[in-house]
Amino acid sequence: EVQLVESGGGLVQPGGSLTLSCEASGFSFSGYWMIWVRQAPGKGLEWVANINYGGDEKHYVDSVKGRFTISRDNAKNSLYLQMNSLRVEDTAVYYCARDSGWLQLGYWGQGTLVTVSS
Amino acid sequence: QSALTQPRSVSGSPGQSVTISCTATTSDVNYDHVSWYQQHPGKAPKFMIYDVSKRPSGVPDRFSGSKSGNTASLTISGLQADDEADYYCCSFAGINTMVFGGGTKLTVL
Repeated sequence: EVQLVESGGGLVQPGGSLTLSCEASGFSFSGYWMIWVRQAPGKGLEWVANINYGGDEKHYVDSVKGRFTISRDNAKNSLYLQMNSLRVEDTAVYYCARDSGWLQLGYWGQGTLVTVSS
Repeated sequence: QSALTQPRSVSGSPGQSVTISCTATTSDVNYDHVSWYQQHPGKAPKFMIYDVSKRPSGVPDRFSGSKSGNTASLTISGLQADDEADYYCCSFAGINTMVFGGGTKLTVL
């Protein structure tokens, strides 16, 4: 059974940093693109970033470029999102998801809440 | 970046059919790879349709997808109370990026 479990969310002040983790199981992690998606309170889904199998190709939504870094450790079956210079508008539930072809998201984690507030 | 436009809300009575549209407003989306997600309040999204019209294993055939030109559609037939949820379309947007629609709230009357 495919499982994705996010962790690392919490309360952080504006300008601060946080690193999210997503532990994967039930599939060959190194064989799939992985994606981060977020959802601000009461808002819709927003693609944040994705990373290819080996971690050498990464893409970001414009609003997080230069502040967020997606990475992966295939030996640990884990995906990460390092978030720096956090803004109030980054407040959201962050989901990790597994690609099922052409960035169509067949499996999702339960999400982890990031709150940016002073 | 690319944008996909959905109606903010749709509604229907039990047993009826509803259709949710998803219109691309830019030319760089790859509409051969549109997916749809169902999200109940407080839950993670669920994968409902991929490649415009294919259903993942376990998704009832009451859910169907189609496209015409730059508009993709999700049709839910035989509406049930549990279908009440938010629905999001999503498309591959070129150079290995993706974009979601704004979401549609389905109310079962």
